Amino acid sequence: EIVMTQSPATLSVSPGERATLSCRASQSVSSNLAWYQQKPGQAPRLLIYGASTRATGIPARFSGSGSGTEFTLTISSLQSEDFAVYYCQQYNNWPIFTFGPGTKVDIK
Amino acid sequence: EVQLVQSGAEVKKPGESLKISCKGSGYSFTSYWIGWVRQMPGKGLEWMGIIYPGDSDTRYSPSFQGQVTISADKSISTAYLQWSSLKASDTAMYYCARHVTVVTPFGWFDPWGQGTLVTVSS
Repeated sequence: EIVMTQSPATLSVSPGERATLSCRASQSVSSNLAWYQQKPGQAPRLLIYGASTRATGIPARFSGSGSGTEFTLTISSLQSEDFAVYYCQQYNNWPIFTFGPGTKVDIK
Repeated sequence: EVQLVQSGAEVKKPGESLKISCKGSGYSFTSYWIGWVRQMPGKGLEWMGIIYPGDSDTRYSPSFQGQVTISADKSISTAYLQWSSLKASDTAMYYCARHVTVVTPFGWFDPWGQGTLVTVSS
């Protein structure tokens, strides 16, 4: 089973600042990695797939990078609506999909 | 617009059975796998299983195999998640999500249903 880890668990950032979230896979998942955003009381929303492709309607301030076992989600200038929990998910090991434990981005 | 609409919140007693639903619209329901994801209170996302409504091919996470049953009725574009005997530990939010692929079978989940809250308490 591929284990996903995310760091940090919580990231405190001021509005307008840059946020960098990390995701690591226990073995290579190629570029088969997605990022999701979940706000309180809402369903997860797809942000990034293929490690670096923004989903439809996702602002350009969100960017993803990495391949293999190390991945990064960057939010270039945090807006108030970006404070949420972010999950990475590998989908390389069909049909077993695994999520990371999440990174909470909160207001500093 | 592609949408997944889930059935409403449920309150059940331990030992009872339950079937929750996820209705797809705005796309060819039989052409995309539908996955189910559990989120226990205050916790992260856990993938449970996935079904292809076109032929009802179903795969389960080892953690959920034998604990739940996933099915689909393609005539009404609806997928289901069911329990035969609920436990208090089944209390959680359950999401369905469409599995999207391009060329390869490797795909992500988009969109997600709004979630169904299941509460199991005596």
